[in-house]
Amino acid sequence: QKEVEQNSGPLSVPEGAIASLNCTYSDRVSQSFFWYRQYSGKSPELIMSIYSNGDKEDGRFTAQLNKASQYVSLLIRDSQPSDSATYLCAVNGETSYDKVIFGPGTSLSVIP
Amino acid sequence: GAVVSQHPSWVICKSGTSVKIECRSLDFQATTMFWYRQFPKQSLMLMATSNEGSKATYEQGVEKDKFLINHASLTLSTLTVTSAHPEDSSFYICSARPQGYTEAFFGQGTRLTVV
Repeated sequence: QKEVEQNSGPLSVPEGAIASLNCTYSDRVSQSFFWYRQYSGKSPELIMSIYSNGDKEDGRFTAQLNKASQYVSLLIRDSQPSDSATYLCAVNGETSYDKVIFGPGTSLSVIP
Repeated sequence: GAVVSQHPSWVICKSGTSVKIECRSLDFQATTMFWYRQFPKQSLMLMATSNEGSKATYEQGVEKDKFLINHASLTLSTLTVTSAHPEDSSFYICSARPQGYTEAFFGQGTRLTVV
């Protein structure tokens, strides 16, 4: 059974701080990794995808991937109250036909 | 780009009736569509994976005769909840993966309430 794990939180950070979200996965052949943001009562929204080891930056967001450790993280710099949401880590298998497995999500609260 | 439209956004139905939810990819062709269910304060639960022109693959524990999935074209998949009961009340969300992509994009979700 493929698994994706995240700390459920809630994670609270003050406005302007860096929020760090972590994710581990069990299937070593996984090739594609995603971070989605989900506001309460809404559907998830893709914010980052990463495929290679290392860092990938997009604005205030940085995704980090370490396939040897089976670990993915998301850093949010200069956190804003509007970043308060649940962040879902998702992992795809070897091929583009594989299903996407989601973690349980980490609830982030940015305190003004 | 990569817009997925789900309809209806919310629906209330009587116990024992059936409800159909549509998921359309508006600006791309989706070889694969996924259907999820999410209960309050819980994570997404994958119900089934739908590939165009073939039968859907259901996850363990999901009743295929109760949750009918049809993926008739590269832009449309439907989920029909048959003989709905109050315990089927949930947030149903579809996602679609464009051809050649690994990312999947979500529809707005459908909040189903069975009374």
